[in-house]
Amino acid sequence: KQEVTQIPAALSVPEGENLVLNCSFTDSAIYNLQWFRQDPGKGLTSLLLIQSSQREQTSGRLNASLDKSSGRSTLYIAASQPGDSATYLCAALETYKYIFGTGTRLKVLA
Amino acid sequence: DVKVTQSSRYLVKRTGEKVFLECVQDMDHENMFWYRQDPGLGLRLIYFSYDVKMKEKGDIPEGYSVSREKKERFSLILESASTNQTSMYLCASTSGGRVDSYNEQFFGPGTRLTVL
Repeated sequence: KQEVTQIPAALSVPEGENLVLNCSFTDSAIYNLQWFRQDPGKGLTSLLLIQSSQREQTSGRLNASLDKSSGRSTLYIAASQPGDSATYLCAALETYKYIFGTGTRLKVLA
Repeated sequence: DVKVTQSSRYLVKRTGEKVFLECVQDMDHENMFWYRQDPGLGLRLIYFSYDVKMKEKGDIPEGYSVSREKKERFSLILESASTNQTSMYLCASTSGGRVDSYNEQFFGPGTRLTVL
């Protein structure tokens, strides 16, 4: 059974730092992996989608990588800002189902 | 911009009531999903639909049913609401007729349901 893990569960950094969020999955037979952010009490906002044939995707200050063989994905945030404070979730797509991690709660201090 | 809307942001119901949660997407997506999100448990899939009138059970379908009469609308029904169904309910949609062609999943704003 696929399990998706995100470590750490919470992270607090000063403004301006570059940071890496981790996502691990136990079964490499995934079709894609998607990163989301969620603000308190809100829905999920899509950040980046990496198809299984891709190694990375970039959008602005965000870069996500995917290594299926090792069961890992990372989300790199450059020059963090207080507005980046949110919970970040990853989701791995297997047969018709997305399996979500429980998220990393990020706080960027001004 | 893809838009997924949900009928209510907050809902309070009594035990035993029948509850309808509506979700509408405006991008002609084939696939739609209902999740619930609880602290410490993350997002769990209740039901999904890959076409009109088609539905598949997710991981926690007990106590729920769904309806998809039109492509853009996917309804979640709590036949007889119970207190353990108090949760945040999230609807999502994605395009792609086959799972290996699924694109981004887009979420609605969520419905916070409280069952008293």
